[in-house]
Amino acid sequence: EVQLLESGGGLIQPGGSLRLSCAASGFTFSSSAMSWVRQTPGEGLEWVSTISEGGDTTFYTDSVKGRFTISRDNSKNTLYLQMNSLRAEDTAVYYCAKDGYNFNYFHYWGQGTLVTVSS
Amino acid sequence: ELVMTQSPATLSVSPGERATLSCRASQSVSSNLAWYQQKPGQTPRLLIYGASTRATGIPARFSGSGSGTDFTLTISSLQSEDFAVYYCQHYNRWPLTFGGGTKVETK
Repeated sequence: EVQLLESGGGLIQPGGSLRLSCAASGFTFSSSAMSWVRQTPGEGLEWVSTISEGGDTTFYTDSVKGRFTISRDNSKNTLYLQMNSLRAEDTAVYYCAKDGYNFNYFHYWGQGTLVTVSS
Repeated sequence: ELVMTQSPATLSVSPGERATLSCRASQSVSSNLAWYQQKPGQTPRLLIYGASTRATGIPARFSGSGSGTDFTLTISSLQSEDFAVYYCQHYNRWPLTFGGGTKVETK
């Protein structure tokens, strides 16, 4: 059974930094692209970032480029999202997702971790 | 950026009735289109990928169709557990984008 467990969310002041983690199990982590997707409370879904299986290729939505960094440790089956220079508009539930085989839809989702950016 | 537009925003349907949800892309996405279901307080769940392929464990009453710019998700006979918000998402190129969602509610 695929399991994705996010951690690291919380309340942070504008301009601060936070690192999210996603522990994966139940599949061959190193063989799957992985993504972060966020959802503002009560609103829709927004793709944030994707990393390739080996970690050598990354993609970001424009609003987080230069501020967020996606990475992975295949030896630990863990995905990360380093978030710097946080803004109020980054407030959301952040989901870790396992991409589909060879395609970037989101096959499995974690339960999400809430990030609140507020003074 | 490729924009995904879903309609209607809210669909009121009686249990047992058919529901038809629309998703339109601002440019062609070929068949690189997925549908998700999200119930209140729950994580999104993949229903359909490749525009028409049901994900593992998804009941046959859910079907997807379309290609290019116009796509449809059909729920043939709504069950009580199907009342939820449905999102489409393209994965044809970067950035990936979602539609705004269609809420299916009880009539």
